[in-house]
Amino acid sequence: KNQVEQSPQSLIILEGKNCTLQCNYTVSPFSNLRWYKQDTGRGPVSLTIMTFSENTKSNGRYTATLDADTKQSSLHITASQLSDSASYICVVTILTGGGNKLTFGTGTQLKVEL
Amino acid sequence: DVKVTQSSRYLVKRTGEKVFLECVQDMDHENMFWYRQDPGLGLRLIYFSYDVKMKEKGDIPEGYSVSREKKERFSLILESASTNQTSMYLCASSLPGGVNYEQYFGPGTRLTVT
Repeated sequence: KNQVEQSPQSLIILEGKNCTLQCNYTVSPFSNLRWYKQDTGRGPVSLTIMTFSENTKSNGRYTATLDADTKQSSLHITASQLSDSASYICVVTILTGGGNKLTFGTGTQLKVEL
Repeated sequence: DVKVTQSSRYLVKRTGEKVFLECVQDMDHENMFWYRQDPGLGLRLIYFSYDVKMKEKGDIPEGYSVSREKKERFSLILESASTNQTSMYLCASSLPGGVNYEQYFGPGTRLTVT
């Protein structure tokens, strides 16, 4: 079972609408949680990062929330645009004896249509 | 801005060929990583390096080797390519450790082994 679960797997929305993507994780000890955006055929690009003491972080139309008690995070996209069509990946960083280790979710594939 | 470049965006090789994937970063980062990304699976770590001539196995090192002769360059080598190594390969780099630890990704190389 993946230690970082994302839902839904895929989502189609109309341009201008809002949407929320979910991430549940079981990994510990937790260092930070990051949301990446990955356009088709490109490498992931970081959108937001939150440590365990932060519960919300915004980057333009993207707002991430974190509940470290329930180990849940969400990414809310406001007023979606066609360029938001991409895969959104939740990544949890944990501290290990050998340094930081990233655990990746499998992503939510978002398609924004006219 | 951090820039991570990969030598090829697309590559087609035959079974049994030796394959070299090159990655270069321009931000003097100590850490460099190689991942592969397959549909339905999160990014999986193949190898990483935290210094010149140093390397550590990741989660799926079998069938791969790496070389880091210079700080800015990290190469992934498939000694004898097989069809199950058809995948998207992503290189990343980062500074060492820290709470806000972030990895910066290259654009990826889509490798097809026939």
